[in-house]
Amino acid sequence: EVHLVESGGGLVQPGGSLRLSCAASGFTFSGFWMHWVRQDAGKGLVWVARITGDGSGTTYAESVKGRFTISRDNAKNTLYLQMNSLRAEDTAFYYCVRDKSGSQYYIDVWGKGTTVTVSS
Amino acid sequence: DIQMTQSPSSVSASVGDRVTITCRASQGISNWLAWYQQKPGKAPKLLIYAASSLQSGVPSRFSGSGSGTDFTLTISSLQPEDSATYFCQQANTFPLTFGGGTKVEIK
Repeated sequence: EVHLVESGGGLVQPGGSLRLSCAASGFTFSGFWMHWVRQDAGKGLVWVARITGDGSGTTYAESVKGRFTISRDNAKNTLYLQMNSLRAEDTAFYYCVRDKSGSQYYIDVWGKGTTVTVSS
Repeated sequence: DIQMTQSPSSVSASVGDRVTITCRASQGISNWLAWYQQKPGKAPKLLIYAASSLQSGVPSRFSGSGSGTDFTLTISSLQPEDSATYFCQQANTFPLTFGGGTKVEIK
């Protein structure tokens, strides 16, 4: 069965850093693009970043560009999101998600998510 | 960025009713559209992709239509387990963007 399990969320002060991890299982991890999507308290969904299967290509939302870095370790079947210079508006529930197939940008598998709270 | 506007923001209907949710894109996206269902405390679930293709395992009472800027999600016969929030998402260009959601409640 396909599973995505996020970890690494927590409470951090503004300006701080956090690294989210996502452990994938049940599928050939390197064969799929992956994304991070977040959901704020108002329950809106916001796409954050994506990475190609081999890790060579990344794209970011303007709101996180230069502060967040998406990466992956295909040997460990793990996706990462390094979040630096965190702001209060980054407070959200972060989902690790799988792209349904290559470059179609539909999300067919979601993790359970992890909470990030940025507050002093 | 492509803005996705859903309507209505909420709908209340009876079991067996036909429910229609609309999603409008701020510019043409061909058929690059997905619909998701989210229940409280759970992650979203893919229902429809490519505007009208049913994701594997999704009941056939769910259907999608549309192209260009206007899209529709239809639940042909509402069931109690369909109580949830539904989101559309454009898959045409980055950044991927989602509609604001439609909450479907059972009367």
